[in-house]
Amino acid sequence: GQQLNQSPQSMFIQEGEDVSMNCTSSSIFNTWLWYKQDPGEGPVLLIALYKAGELTSNGRLTAQFGITRKDSFLNISASIPSDVGIYFCAISGGSNYKLTFGKGTLLTVNP
Amino acid sequence: KAGVTQTPRYLIKTRGQQVTLSCSPISGHRSVSWYQQTPGQGLQFLFEYFSETQRNKGNFPGRFSGRQFSNSRSEMNVSTLELGDSALYLCASSPSQTGYNEQFFGPGTRLTVL
Repeated sequence: GQQLNQSPQSMFIQEGEDVSMNCTSSSIFNTWLWYKQDPGEGPVLLIALYKAGELTSNGRLTAQFGITRKDSFLNISASIPSDVGIYFCAISGGSNYKLTFGKGTLLTVNP
Repeated sequence: KAGVTQTPRYLIKTRGQQVTLSCSPISGHRSVSWYQQTPGQGLQFLFEYFSETQRNKGNFPGRFSGRQFSNSRSEMNVSTLELGDSALYLCASSPSQTGYNEQFFGPGTRLTVL
C-alpha cells in the first residue's frame, strides 16, 4: 500500500513561533489534504491542494503541494495556544475512494 | 449546513457482542467513508459507499461491515467484538462522485470493548 511519512512526530514550541511540518509519499498523488484533530473530536480539514506546486493559505496556515507530487508541507505562522492538536497530512487515492493518512504531528504550544 | 453527525458518541460493549454505529453525512453529500483510529495504527480506512454501493473496502476482517441507505445515511456494524476493536470510529462525507476530493469528518464514536 501507499507509504506516507510525516515529520516531525511531535513539536513543542513557544507561543508566537512559526512551525513547519511535512509529508512525503512513495508514489505520486493528485490531492494532498491537511487536517487538524483536537482531543476527542474528528479531524477538521484545514487546506486542500490539487495542483503540483500549488501554494495555498488559510489565515496563518500555508501549505504547498510539492512539484514532484510526492510531498507537501504545512507552515503555521505566529502560533497561538489554540493551535495545539494533532496535524495530519492525507493523500487522496482518487479511484480507490479513500484517504491515506500520515501518523500525525503532535503540536504543543507553550503560552 | 449541518456537519457530519455520528451516533452514539460513546459506547461500551463486552467481548463477543455486536455493535452498530450510525452516520449522517452533510446534506447533499453522497459519498460516506468510515475510518478506525487507534493510537497504534493511526487512521485506517474501513470502507466507502456511494449511492448505496460499496466502492472500496479496507483491510479489515469480515466482522466489519457497513451499508448506506437511499438518503445517504450510513451504518457500520462490528460483530463478535474483540478487545482490539476499541477505537474511535470516524465517518466522513464527500460531495463528489470522484475520489479526488476532500472528506469532512464527524466527531466520531468512541467504542470501548471490555
